[in-house]
Amino acid sequence: KQEVTQIPAALSVPEGENLVLNCSFTDSAIYNLQWFRQDPGKGLTSLLLIQSSQREQTSGRLNASLDKSSGRSTLYIAASQPGDSATYLCAVDPVLNNDMRFGAGTRLTVKP
Amino acid sequence: EAQVTQNPRYLITVTGKKLTVTCSQNMNHEYMSWYRQDPGLGLRQIYYSMNVEVTDKGDVPEGYKVSRKEKRNFPLILESPSPNQTSLYFCASKERDYGYTFGSGTRLTVV
Repeated sequence: KQEVTQIPAALSVPEGENLVLNCSFTDSAIYNLQWFRQDPGKGLTSLLLIQSSQREQTSGRLNASLDKSSGRSTLYIAASQPGDSATYLCAVDPVLNNDMRFGAGTRLTVKP
Repeated sequence: EAQVTQNPRYLITVTGKKLTVTCSQNMNHEYMSWYRQDPGLGLRQIYYSMNVEVTDKGDVPEGYKVSRKEKRNFPLILESPSPNQTSLYFCASKERDYGYTFGSGTRLTVV
């Protein structure tokens, strides 16, 4: 069964820093990978979706990369702001079924 | 606006009193799913539905029921809620090439 791991579990950085969040998965047979943001007690907001044929996707200050062969994805956040403080989750949609698997998330705090 | 709508947002109930959490999507998605989220345990899938009248168990289906009589709606039913079902619940729908869209969540407390 696909397992998704996110490292680190928590991260605290000063405002303005560039940072990288990591997501790894055990089975490279994926259909796509999706990054979400979740504020405390709130729903999940989709940030970026990377199809299995793509290497990266960009949206504003966010850039997500995908290396299927090594089972890794990274979410790069440029020039972090306090408003970026949230939990970031990655989710993998496997090829053979619809059993989307989520990582436990990275809780990001950006200090002013 | 494309969205998944859950109701209610907050619910406090007593042990054993049947309840239903509604979920509706306006994107004509075939796939819908229910998750619960608990501290330290992450998101766990309860049930999912590939299409109308097609439902299947996820990782933690015990104590829950679902139905999918029409494409847009996927209610979650707790026939006899217990305190260990206190959690934050999310409904989501998916179009495979566009990923998941989540509802805003339902915070359920069973006393």
